[in-house]
Amino acid sequence: EVVMTQSPATLSVSPGEGATLSCRASQSVNSNLAWYQQRPGQAPRLLIFAASTRATDVPARFTGSGSGTEFTLTISSLQSEDFALYHCQQYNYWPLTFGGGTKVEIK
Amino acid sequence: EVQLVQSGAEVKKPGESLKISCKGSGYSFTSYWIGWVRQMPGKGLEWMGIIYPGDSDTRYSPSFQGQVTISADKSISTAYLQWSSLKASDTAMYYCARRIAAAWLDYWGQGTLVTVSS
Repeated sequence: EVVMTQSPATLSVSPGEGATLSCRASQSVNSNLAWYQQRPGQAPRLLIFAASTRATDVPARFTGSGSGTEFTLTISSLQSEDFALYHCQQYNYWPLTFGGGTKVEIK
Repeated sequence: EVQLVQSGAEVKKPGESLKISCKGSGYSFTSYWIGWVRQMPGKGLEWMGIIYPGDSDTRYSPSFQGQVTISADKSISTAYLQWSSLKASDTAMYYCARRIAAAWLDYWGQGTLVTVSS
């Protein structure tokens, strides 16, 4: 099973600042990686697929990058609605696996 | 509009059985895989398994094989997740999600909270 490791576990950021979230895979997953946002009390929502492609209606301030084993989600100029839990997921291998999540909180 | 609507919250005792549902609408239900994801309190997401409603092909994550049963009734566009004997450790939020092209999960249900307590 591919282990996905997200860091940091918690990121404290002031509104308007940028944030960089990391996701590492225990073996190469090529570009078969997705990012999901989960606001408090809500279901996850697809943000990024194929490592760098934004899903429908996702603002341009969200940027995904990376391939192989190292991936990054960058959020420029955080808005109030961006303070949430972010999950990465690989879909290159069965079973699909998720990282433990990064919580982006207001500083 | 694609929608996945899950059944409501459940409170059960250890040893009881349970079946929760996920009804799809706004797309061809038989043409996409539906997966189930567990989220224990305060924790991350865990992939449980998946079903293709078109032919009921079902696959389980090794961690959940034998622990749950995934099924679907394509006549009513509904997928199911069931337990034959619940444990306290099954307490969690369960999400269904549509899987696109053997890849990512593009639409999610609202979640079903299952609480198992004596």
